[in-house]
Amino acid sequence: SQTIHQWPATLVQPVGSPLSLECTVEGTSNPNLYWYRQAAGRGLQLLFYSVGIGQISSEVPQNLSASRPQDRQFILSSKKLLLSDSGFYLCAWSPGTGNTEAFFGQGTRLTVV
Amino acid sequence: EDQVTQSPEALRLQEGESSSLNCSYTVSGLRGLFWYRQDPGKGPEFLFTLYSAGEEKEKERLKATLTKKESFLHITAPKPEDSATYLCAARALDTGRRALTFGSGTRLQVQP
Repeated sequence: SQTIHQWPATLVQPVGSPLSLECTVEGTSNPNLYWYRQAAGRGLQLLFYSVGIGQISSEVPQNLSASRPQDRQFILSSKKLLLSDSGFYLCAWSPGTGNTEAFFGQGTRLTVV
Repeated sequence: EDQVTQSPEALRLQEGESSSLNCSYTVSGLRGLFWYRQDPGKGPEFLFTLYSAGEEKEKERLKATLTKKESFLHITAPKPEDSATYLCAARALDTGRRALTFGSGTRLQVQP
């Protein structure tokens, strides 16, 4: 069966520091991968999605970037964090073909101080 | 622009008191309507996918239905463990994005 791992679960970082959040998927090949951000009491906002290695599409201009160095690895990064980057970050995957649901990791709570 | 709107924002029920959550959507060519459950501090957990108007899916006390403009999540005789935020999402017809557009969710609290 397929599983998705996302880490760390919580992170407190000072303003101006770098960020790296990692997500890996097991048990599938060529998945579509996504990074979402959820503000408190709000819905999920799509940040980035990827349909293949090295293929990254950005939905929202921001202080963040994403990379997909391997088929089942998706990384969210920032060179210098802002206070406004605080939030709940979720990685998700869906099968590369077909029109099916997406499956989410357990999320990373990022607090920028 | 694709939009998904959920109502109410919050709902408090007594145990056993049935109700419905609403999800209205405006997307260019609906390719799927998805329901998720999210517990505090956790990632969303998949519940249902609906593809065409008239379709229904059931799981325990939950039943999801779909029309051409809305989806409903019916909760029959809820229990306290059904307390969570329920998220609705839609996938639109596109050439490869495949991402979901989410509503803001309905926070459900079921009191014993």
